[in-house]
Amino acid sequence: GAGVSQSPRYKVAKRGQDVALRCDPISGHVSLFWYQQALGQGPEFLTYFQNEAQLDKSGLPSDRFFAERPEGSVSTLKIQRTQQEDSAVYLCASSYLAGAELYGNTIYFGEGSWLTVV
Amino acid sequence: DQQVKQNSPSLSVQEGRISILNCDYTNSMFDYFLWYKKYPAEGPTFLISISSIKDKNEDGRFTVFLNKSAKHLSLHIVPSQPGDSAVYFCAASAKAAGNKLTFGGGTRVLVKP
Repeated sequence: GAGVSQSPRYKVAKRGQDVALRCDPISGHVSLFWYQQALGQGPEFLTYFQNEAQLDKSGLPSDRFFAERPEGSVSTLKIQRTQQEDSAVYLCASSYLAGAELYGNTIYFGEGSWLTVV
Repeated sequence: DQQVKQNSPSLSVQEGRISILNCDYTNSMFDYFLWYKKYPAEGPTFLISISSIKDKNEDGRFTVFLNKSAKHLSLHIVPSQPGDSAVYFCAASAKAAGNKLTFGGGTRVLVKP
């Protein structure tokens, strides 16, 4: 597709439920990022993939959060046993650049998946 | 501890006037700075950036100024247009810290016709 595509756009989950959020990056993009944006705040880094390798997962807030990109294209962010504090917009971003080339270059964000935990 | 701060949550400006958005950072390792613009229900889109080796970068109506000694940057939009109404995020990166961006909390700009 033309841009980064995320699904579902909106998800309401009951506390304790598991959720899976999908990201389809721009075709051919090597790098993929997940960010979490709480209401009224800026996005916060969660994790980074270069192809299928998860090179940085330092931003994942707890072991309930898990991300994968098994074939180096589509990525899934899974949140187990959701809590109310997980309510946020989850943004995926991608780039055709990788590693040191990424520095100083922009990344392209999707529209986000809005998660509300009730 | 917020490493990137945008102290003004909102800004209202008349069409045709200048909009000035401010951003402060604390991490001296940051050496590349970006501004993103976000419309409701859309993802952030890249607007303009500046490297720490420069103090000014201009792109059409948008200019970013960097004051390294004060750890402060600003975005000037002139003239402001109604289509500029959006939330603007300042973001920073450090070459040594990999590819992640650290964002400020955003400033909502409203340009009144």
